[in-house]
Amino acid sequence: QVQLQESGPGLVKPSETLSLTCTVSGDSVSSGSYYWSWIRQPPGKGLEWIGNIYFIGSTNYNPSLKSRVTISVDMSKNQFSLKLSSVTAADTAVYYCASLLPAAVSFDPWGQGTLVTVSS
Amino acid sequence: QSALTQPASVSGSPGQSITISCTGTSSDVGSYNLVSWYQQHPGKAPKVMIYEGSKRPSGVSNRFSGSKSGNTASLTISGLQAEDEADYYCCSYAGSSTYVFGTGTKVTVL
Repeated sequence: QVQLQESGPGLVKPSETLSLTCTVSGDSVSSGSYYWSWIRQPPGKGLEWIGNIYFIGSTNYNPSLKSRVTISVDMSKNQFSLKLSSVTAADTAVYYCASLLPAAVSFDPWGQGTLVTVSS
Repeated sequence: QSALTQPASVSGSPGQSITISCTGTSSDVGSYNLVSWYQQHPGKAPKVMIYEGSKRPSGVSNRFSGSKSGNTASLTISGLQAEDEADYYCCSYAGSSTYVFGTGTKVTVL
């Protein structure tokens, strides 16, 4: 079965770019079975969908974050990545990667999540 | 794109049934039968409990059921058990290949 694992720095300075990678096992990011997604959750708060990528490179982003977000896929490493630019303290959150079956609106499975803190 | 509205908390005694509402608009919940529900225990990643409005993934108890009326989707948990105590989030397709989550509901088993 598909398994996902996030990795990246746990601390990012304000105004810099947050970069995270999700490593996929049990399936290929190029299989076409899923859209590969990023979702975040600020401490003590709710979930926020960040965006998706399909293996052909097509992306969809949350309109509120679109100007700062880039999601890309690396088929050679079976990974997909998130970049969020010009971060502020409001971007402090647990960041999850997840696979999405778009026809079902089913995010499943999820990675374990990684906490990213924005602080100088 | 605003978050879907859920009650902050719902509680019930073991064995009872509870229902969590998820209110959106005619641009999301009301336009598509594409709502999913997630259970999240503290410190854990969310787990899908319902997708496509009312379908249960393999392995999810049939005590969980989903429905929709107009702009409001609902998750019902019957025969409430201690292990059901968690946060629950709805999620809807919002058009143009975008998705929106609900504000979240804390379920307490009394």
